[in-house]
Amino acid sequence: NAGVTQTPKFQVLKTGQSMTLQCAQDMNHNSMYWYRQDPGMGLRLIYYSASEGTTDKGEVPNGYNVSRLNKREFSLRLESAAPSQTSVYFCASVNLYEQYFGPGTRLTVT
Amino acid sequence: KQEVTQIPAALSVPEGENLVLNCSFTDSAIYNLQWFRQDPGKGLTSLLLIQSSQREQTSGRLNASLDKSSGRSTLYIAASQPGDSATYLCALMDSNYQLIWGAGTKLIIKP
Repeated sequence: NAGVTQTPKFQVLKTGQSMTLQCAQDMNHNSMYWYRQDPGMGLRLIYYSASEGTTDKGEVPNGYNVSRLNKREFSLRLESAAPSQTSVYFCASVNLYEQYFGPGTRLTVT
Repeated sequence: KQEVTQIPAALSVPEGENLVLNCSFTDSAIYNLQWFRQDPGKGLTSLLLIQSSQREQTSGRLNASLDKSSGRSTLYIAASQPGDSATYLCALMDSNYQLIWGAGTKLIIKP
């Protein structure tokens, strides 16, 4: 039982490049979330998916897109990376009361 | 707008001491409150979850309390150990089922 997995663990991009962060969960949860964590701040919600086939914006969606490919997988795409998107990105799988987190992706945009 | 504050941002105590971490929030209309632990470079691990109707939860040396009327939650750690060193975050689930996060308290337990 792997829980929540994220790939890649680390990534360096140049400004303007694109990439997709992958997230998968094996807990059969309906809801999945993408957060970013910046130094000295709490986690901020980027996008979430309450169920397969649905996605909604969170607090900081600008510059990101998401895809809920199936119940297991929820990807986050940066179409044109900017230095302001340098952060640690966490995916979470959610049951009604609790959130289970992946190990995170540390992204640097130069 | 709901805001969650954790003070202090950092705390250093000698091993063996009992300690309290604080979390305050501005709107008492919450669904639940969770305490998480984050180790450097790692993900988040859920420690305790308190439902809106509950006053406290306990797990081993950890005890979390919730007082909605005063907008406060505390995490009590008994007999602290160096392995307790980590960042502790609180997050509450609001009435829209969204998690609102504090910035965390970085705890260092000195051997």
